[in-house]
Amino acid sequence: QVQLVQSGAEVKKPGSSVRVSCKTSGGNFDSFAIHWVRQAPGQGLDWMGMLVPYFDRPDYARRFQGRVTIMADKSTSTVYMDLSRLRSEDTAVYYCARVREVGKHDFDSWGQGTLVTVST
Amino acid sequence: QSAPTQPASVSGSPGQSITISCTGTSSDIGSYSLVSWYQHHPGKAPKLLIYEVNRRPSGASPRFSGSKSGNTASLTISGLRSEDEADYYCCSYVGSFNWVFGGGTKLTVL
Repeated sequence: QVQLVQSGAEVKKPGSSVRVSCKTSGGNFDSFAIHWVRQAPGQGLDWMGMLVPYFDRPDYARRFQGRVTIMADKSTSTVYMDLSRLRSEDTAVYYCARVREVGKHDFDSWGQGTLVTVST
Repeated sequence: QSAPTQPASVSGSPGQSITISCTGTSSDIGSYSLVSWYQHHPGKAPKLLIYEVNRRPSGASPRFSGSKSGNTASLTISGLRSEDEADYYCCSYVGSFNWVFGGGTKLTVL
Protein backbone atom coordinates (compact mmCIF):
# COMPACT_ATOMS: atom_id res chain seq x y z
CA GLN A 1 0.00 0.00 0.00
CA VAL A 2 1.50 3.30 -1.13
CA GLN A 3 1.48 6.14 1.38
CA LEU A 4 2.43 9.75 0.84
CA VAL A 5 2.97 11.79 4.01
CA GLN A 6 3.48 15.53 3.71
CA SER A 7 5.09 18.02 6.05
CA GLY A 8 3.04 20.25 8.31
CA ALA A 9 1.38 23.61 7.82
CA GLU A 10 3.51 26.68 7.20
CA VAL A 11 3.00 30.42 7.68
CA LYS A 12 5.29 32.58 5.56
CA LYS A 13 5.91 36.25 4.87
CA PRO A 14 5.48 37.68 1.37
CA GLY A 15 8.72 37.45 -0.57
CA SER A 16 10.01 34.46 1.37
CA SER A 17 10.24 30.80 0.31
CA VAL A 18 8.60 27.60 1.49
CA ARG A 19 9.57 23.95 1.25
CA VAL A 20 6.95 21.20 1.39
CA SER A 21 8.05 17.59 1.66
CA CYS A 22 6.32 14.41 0.54
CA LYS A 23 7.67 11.17 1.99
CA THR A 24 6.60 8.03 0.16
CA SER A 25 6.46 4.46 1.37
CA GLY A 26 5.53 1.29 -0.46
CA GLY A 27 6.33 0.69 -4.10
CA ASN A 28 9.33 1.63 -6.19
CA PHE A 29 10.27 5.22 -5.38
CA ASP A 30 12.58 5.80 -8.36
CA SER A 31 10.19 4.94 -11.18
CA PHE A 32 6.90 6.57 -10.22
CA ALA A 33 6.31 10.21 -11.07
CA ILE A 34 5.35 12.51 -8.21
CA HIS A 35 3.21 15.51 -9.11
CA TRP A 36 2.40 18.64 -7.13
CA VAL A 37 -1.09 20.16 -7.19
CA ARG A 38 -2.41 23.07 -5.19
CA GLN A 39 -5.83 24.45 -4.27
CA ALA A 40 -6.21 28.07 -3.23
CA PRO A 41 -9.20 28.99 -1.05
CA GLY A 42 -12.38 28.88 -3.10
CA GLN A 43 -10.48 27.82 -6.21
CA GLY A 44 -9.96 24.59 -8.12
CA LEU A 45 -7.08 22.19 -8.40
CA ASP A 46 -4.01 23.62 -10.11
CA TRP A 47 -1.21 21.44 -11.52
CA MET A 48 2.23 22.81 -10.65
CA GLY A 49 4.85 20.32 -11.77
CA MET A 50 6.26 16.81 -11.58
CA LEU A 51 9.36 14.71 -11.20
CA VAL A 52 10.34 11.12 -11.87
CA PRO A 53 13.09 10.51 -9.30
CA TYR A 54 14.96 8.11 -11.59
CA PHE A 55 15.37 10.74 -14.31
CA ASP A 56 15.71 13.65 -11.87
CA ARG A 57 14.45 16.08 -14.52
CA PRO A 58 11.49 18.09 -13.28
CA ASP A 59 8.82 19.67 -15.45
CA TYR A 60 6.84 22.71 -14.37
CA ALA A 61 3.68 24.52 -15.37
CA ARG A 62 4.68 27.64 -17.26
CA ARG A 63 3.12 30.03 -14.75
CA PHE A 64 5.34 28.66 -11.97
CA GLN A 65 8.57 28.55 -13.97
CA GLY A 66 11.34 30.37 -12.15
CA ARG A 67 9.61 30.16 -8.77
CA VAL A 68 9.13 26.44 -8.20
CA THR A 69 11.73 23.72 -7.76
CA ILE A 70 10.93 20.04 -7.34
CA MET A 71 13.63 17.63 -6.24
CA ALA A 72 13.97 14.15 -4.81
CA ASP A 73 16.08 12.59 -2.07
CA LYS A 74 16.32 8.94 -3.02
CA SER A 75 17.94 8.02 0.28
CA THR A 76 14.75 8.93 2.15
CA SER A 77 12.17 8.38 -0.63
CA THR A 78 11.13 12.00 -0.24
CA VAL A 79 10.19 14.57 -2.86
CA TYR A 80 10.43 18.28 -2.06
CA MET A 81 8.65 21.24 -3.59
CA ASP A 82 10.17 24.66 -3.06
CA LEU A 83 8.21 27.80 -3.95
CA SER A 84 9.98 31.14 -3.80
CA ARG A 85 9.01 34.83 -3.89
CA LEU A 86 5.78 34.01 -2.13
CA ARG A 87 2.79 36.30 -2.47
CA SER A 88 -0.63 36.23 -0.86
CA GLU A 89 -2.09 34.42 -3.87
CA ASP A 90 0.14 31.44 -3.05
CA THR A 91 -1.92 30.76 0.07
CA ALA A 92 -3.24 27.29 -0.68
CA VAL A 93 -3.30 23.64 0.24
CA TYR A 94 -0.46 21.88 -1.57
CA TYR A 95 -0.78 18.20 -2.44
CA CYS A 96 1.70 15.68 -3.74
CA ALA A 97 0.30 12.84 -5.80
CA ARG A 98 1.78 9.68 -7.29
CA VAL A 99 0.87 8.23 -10.65
CA ARG A 100 -1.10 5.01 -10.72
CA GLU A 101 1.49 3.13 -12.78
CA VAL A 102 4.92 3.91 -14.17
CA GLY A 103 4.60 6.12 -17.21
CA LYS A 104 0.91 6.81 -16.68
CA HIS A 105 -0.88 10.13 -16.53
CA ASP A 106 -3.30 9.86 -13.62
CA PHE A 107 -2.86 10.04 -9.88
CA ASP A 108 -4.21 7.42 -7.51
CA SER A 109 -2.21 8.11 -4.35
CA TRP A 110 -2.26 11.51 -2.69
CA GLY A 111 -0.68 13.12 0.31
CA GLN A 112 -2.87 14.58 3.02
CA GLY A 113 -2.20 18.15 1.88
CA THR A 114 -0.13 20.95 3.41
CA LEU A 115 -1.63 24.35 4.10
CA VAL A 116 0.72 27.21 3.26
CA THR A 117 -0.43 30.62 4.42
CA VAL A 118 1.32 33.71 3.09
CA SER A 119 0.61 36.71 5.27
CA THR A 120 2.26 39.75 6.76
CA GLN B 1 -2.40 26.53 -21.11
CA SER B 2 -6.03 27.33 -20.29
CA ALA B 3 -8.03 25.13 -17.95
CA PRO B 4 -10.71 22.98 -19.58
CA THR B 5 -14.17 24.34 -18.93
CA GLN B 6 -16.51 22.57 -16.54
CA PRO B 7 -19.94 23.73 -15.36
CA ALA B 8 -19.61 25.43 -12.01
CA SER B 9 -22.37 23.35 -10.51
CA VAL B 10 -24.76 20.50 -11.24
CA SER B 11 -27.44 18.92 -9.14
CA GLY B 12 -29.60 15.83 -9.05
CA SER B 13 -31.88 13.84 -6.82
CA PRO B 14 -30.95 10.52 -5.24
CA GLY B 15 -31.17 7.70 -7.76
CA GLN B 16 -30.90 9.99 -10.77
CA SER B 17 -28.02 10.22 -13.22
CA ILE B 18 -26.00 13.35 -13.95
CA THR B 19 -23.28 14.19 -16.45
CA ILE B 20 -20.43 16.64 -15.98
CA SER B 21 -18.71 17.96 -19.09
CA CYS B 22 -15.10 19.03 -19.48
CA THR B 23 -14.44 21.02 -22.63
CA GLY B 24 -10.88 21.63 -23.75
CA THR B 25 -9.22 22.23 -27.08
CA SER B 26 -7.71 20.27 -29.93
CA SER B 27 -4.35 20.70 -28.16
CA ASP B 28 -5.33 18.90 -24.98
CA ILE B 29 -8.45 16.75 -24.67
CA GLY B 30 -8.81 16.56 -28.42
CA SER B 31 -5.26 15.29 -28.87
CA TYR B 32 -4.90 12.84 -26.01
CA SER B 33 -7.09 10.09 -24.58
CA LEU B 34 -5.45 10.81 -21.25
CA VAL B 35 -8.31 12.38 -19.33
CA SER B 36 -8.84 11.46 -15.70
CA TRP B 37 -11.54 12.44 -13.23
CA TYR B 38 -11.26 13.11 -9.50
CA GLN B 39 -13.75 13.42 -6.68
CA HIS B 40 -12.78 15.91 -3.99
CA HIS B 41 -14.52 16.22 -0.66
CA PRO B 42 -13.50 19.37 1.25
CA GLY B 43 -10.64 18.73 3.63
CA LYS B 44 -9.74 15.40 2.09
CA ALA B 45 -7.36 14.33 -0.66
CA PRO B 46 -8.79 13.99 -4.18
CA LYS B 47 -9.78 10.49 -5.26
CA LEU B 48 -9.22 9.01 -8.72
CA LEU B 49 -12.50 7.90 -10.31
CA ILE B 50 -11.69 7.44 -14.00
CA TYR B 51 -8.46 7.31 -15.99
CA GLU B 52 -7.68 7.26 -19.71
CA VAL B 53 -11.15 8.65 -20.51
CA ASN B 54 -13.25 5.65 -19.52
CA ARG B 55 -11.29 3.20 -17.36
CA ARG B 56 -12.04 2.65 -13.70
CA PRO B 57 -9.30 1.93 -11.17
CA SER B 58 -9.69 -1.22 -9.13
CA GLY B 59 -12.19 -0.70 -6.37
CA ALA B 60 -13.90 2.25 -8.02
CA SER B 61 -17.67 2.20 -8.15
CA PRO B 62 -19.26 1.18 -11.50
CA ARG B 63 -21.71 4.04 -10.98
CA PHE B 64 -19.00 6.33 -12.35
CA SER B 65 -18.28 6.23 -16.07
CA GLY B 66 -16.38 8.39 -18.53
CA SER B 67 -16.44 9.19 -22.22
CA LYS B 68 -14.99 11.60 -24.74
CA SER B 69 -16.13 13.15 -27.99
CA GLY B 70 -13.84 15.55 -29.81
CA ASN B 71 -12.56 18.16 -27.39
CA THR B 72 -15.06 17.31 -24.65
CA ALA B 73 -14.80 14.63 -21.98
CA SER B 74 -17.70 13.69 -19.75
CA LEU B 75 -18.22 12.02 -16.39
CA THR B 76 -21.55 10.33 -15.70
CA ILE B 77 -22.67 9.38 -12.22
CA SER B 78 -25.62 7.04 -12.10
CA GLY B 79 -27.79 6.17 -9.12
CA LEU B 80 -26.88 9.35 -7.27
CA ARG B 81 -26.25 9.02 -3.55
CA SER B 82 -25.88 11.66 -0.87
CA GLU B 83 -22.21 10.75 -0.44
CA ASP B 84 -21.57 11.72 -4.07
CA GLU B 85 -21.97 15.37 -3.08
CA ALA B 86 -18.48 16.75 -3.71
CA ASP B 87 -16.37 18.68 -6.18
CA TYR B 88 -15.36 16.92 -9.40
CA TYR B 89 -12.36 17.72 -11.57
CA CYS B 90 -11.22 16.54 -14.95
CA CYS B 91 -7.52 16.48 -15.73
CA SER B 92 -5.85 16.16 -19.12
CA TYR B 93 -2.33 15.59 -20.31
CA VAL B 94 -1.44 18.45 -22.66
CA GLY B 95 1.93 17.34 -23.97
CA SER B 96 5.50 18.33 -23.10
CA PHE B 97 5.14 16.74 -19.66
CA ASN B 98 2.42 19.15 -18.62
CA TRP B 99 -1.04 18.49 -17.23
CA VAL B 100 -4.05 20.74 -16.65
CA PHE B 101 -7.09 20.43 -14.39
CA GLY B 102 -10.53 21.64 -15.32
CA GLY B 103 -12.11 24.40 -13.29
CA GLY B 104 -14.12 21.97 -11.19
CA THR B 105 -17.82 21.25 -10.74
CA LYS B 106 -19.72 21.26 -7.47
CA LEU B 107 -22.28 18.44 -7.33
CA THR B 108 -25.27 18.92 -5.07
CA VAL B 109 -27.49 15.95 -4.27
CA LEU B 110 -30.94 17.37 -3.59
